[in-house]
Amino acid sequence: VMTQSPGTLSLSPGERATLSCRASQSVSSSYLAWYQQKPGQAPRLLIYAASSRATGIPDRFSGSGSGTDFTLTISRLEPEDFAVYYCHQSGSLVGRTFGQGTKVEIK
Amino acid sequence: QITLKESGPTLVRPTQTLTLTCTFSGFSLNTSGVGVGWMRQPPGKALEWCALIYWDDEKRYSPTLRSRLTITKDTSKNQVVLRMTNMDPVDTATYYCAHRPYRKGPYDYWGQGTLVTVSS
Repeated sequence: VMTQSPGTLSLSPGERATLSCRASQSVSSSYLAWYQQKPGQAPRLLIYAASSRATGIPDRFSGSGSGTDFTLTISRLEPEDFAVYYCHQSGSLVGRTFGQGTKVEIK
Repeated sequence: QITLKESGPTLVRPTQTLTLTCTFSGFSLNTSGVGVGWMRQPPGKALEWCALIYWDDEKRYSPTLRSRLTITKDTSKNQVVLRMTNMDPVDTATYYCAHRPYRKGPYDYWGQGTLVTVSS
C-alpha cells in the first residue's frame, strides 16, 4: 500500500514543494514513479526509477528515496505545476499500487 | 510518436459486461518487454491499477478485480481489449490505457481516457 502525504499542499508560486510517498513494504527504487495530473487530463509521467526525470520534464522536478520512503520535490513552483501528484509502485501487485494523491494548490 | 486511445460504451447497465478497446500506434506489442496496462479513476478519486498485458502474452490483474477482468491483445490490429464482468455503479470511472516500455517499468504514454458510467 502506497500512502502519500500531505493530502493537500497550499503554496505560492516560487515556493518549494515536498511531497511524500510511503510504502507499507520495501519497494525497489527501480519500480517507483511519480505522475502529475491536471483536471480533465490523463496522468503524465514525471519521474521513474525513483529519481530519473522522464523526457521533457523540467529539472525543477526531482525524485529521491529508497526502501519505504520516497519524495518528489518541486524546487520552485511554476503556475503550471499546480496539480495532483501520484506515486506508483510497479514491483508488486499486492495492495494499492498508486498512492491516493497529493494536491498542490495555490495559496 | 506513441499514441493510445480508449474506446467503448459510455453507459453500461448494472450486471452487464464492459468491453473497452485500446487502439495504439507508434509501438508494437511484438517488441520484447513492451506492455499495455489499464487504469481507472472514479470521479474525484485516485487512480487504480486494473490489468496489464505484455508482448509475450503474460497477463497481470489487480487482486481485487481479478475475478471480473480479462485482458487480451490483437497485435495485428494494434489493440488491447479489457473486459469487466458484472458491472456495478461503483465501477463508474474514467478508464485509461497506457504504454509500459519494459517489465515493471513506468507508464510513459497514456490515452486520453474514456468515462464509463454504470447506471440503470
